[in-house]
Amino acid sequence: QQQVKQSPQSLIVQKGGISIINCAYENTAFDYFPWYQQFPGKGPALLIAIRPDVSEKKEGRFTISFNKSAKQFSLHIMDSQPGDSATYFCAASRRGGSNYKLTFGKGTLLTVNP
Amino acid sequence: NAGVMQNPRHLVRRRGQEARLRCSPMKGHSHVYWYRQLPEEGLKFMVYLQKENIIDESGMPKERFSAEFPKEGPSILRIQQVVRGDSAAYFCASSPGKGTGSPLHFGNGTRLTVT
Repeated sequence: QQQVKQSPQSLIVQKGGISIINCAYENTAFDYFPWYQQFPGKGPALLIAIRPDVSEKKEGRFTISFNKSAKQFSLHIMDSQPGDSATYFCAASRRGGSNYKLTFGKGTLLTVNP
Repeated sequence: NAGVMQNPRHLVRRRGQEARLRCSPMKGHSHVYWYRQLPEEGLKFMVYLQKENIIDESGMPKERFSAEFPKEGPSILRIQQVVRGDSAAYFCASSPGKGTGSPLHFGNGTRLTVT
């Protein structure tokens, strides 16, 4: 049973465009929702994270939107650049001290064309 | 300020051999986590260790897999009698503490290929 569903599987965006990646979760005990960026041959790097007590968090060109009632959250990359081309993973973890046990989506391969 | 160091970067083993994957956490980090990434899949949690203790091994396969984090030296993920299905990227992460105030920092992984 996949607890975090991520879409789309791949995404192609033109330079300067907006990239949007969506995730949906099932477990209402999840209360920490990070996004990771992974370049080929590298490990995932934390990009931005959100808790369910806020509906939006912005850091530079990256924004997480969170809809608790729909159990969905999304990553928006504004003014997408070729250097943003990477695989993006959403993840979720539960409260109660087990936040290290992240449940990852399957990833979205983002390609930003120059 | 080195990040999480994993070695080897690539490891090829024949079926039935043993694989040993090593992980040195970031300086000052005492919590180590192992995740596995199968092709076309997201990462899946395997085990959480602190020095000399396994805290949570709920994601570890019941057989052939073991992990340790000794008082001195790196954390080791050991896979005995490897099978083709063990082919994956294995990532280690570390954090200074436990809790969402201590995000996980991942290494660059070890790509295990079983022939």
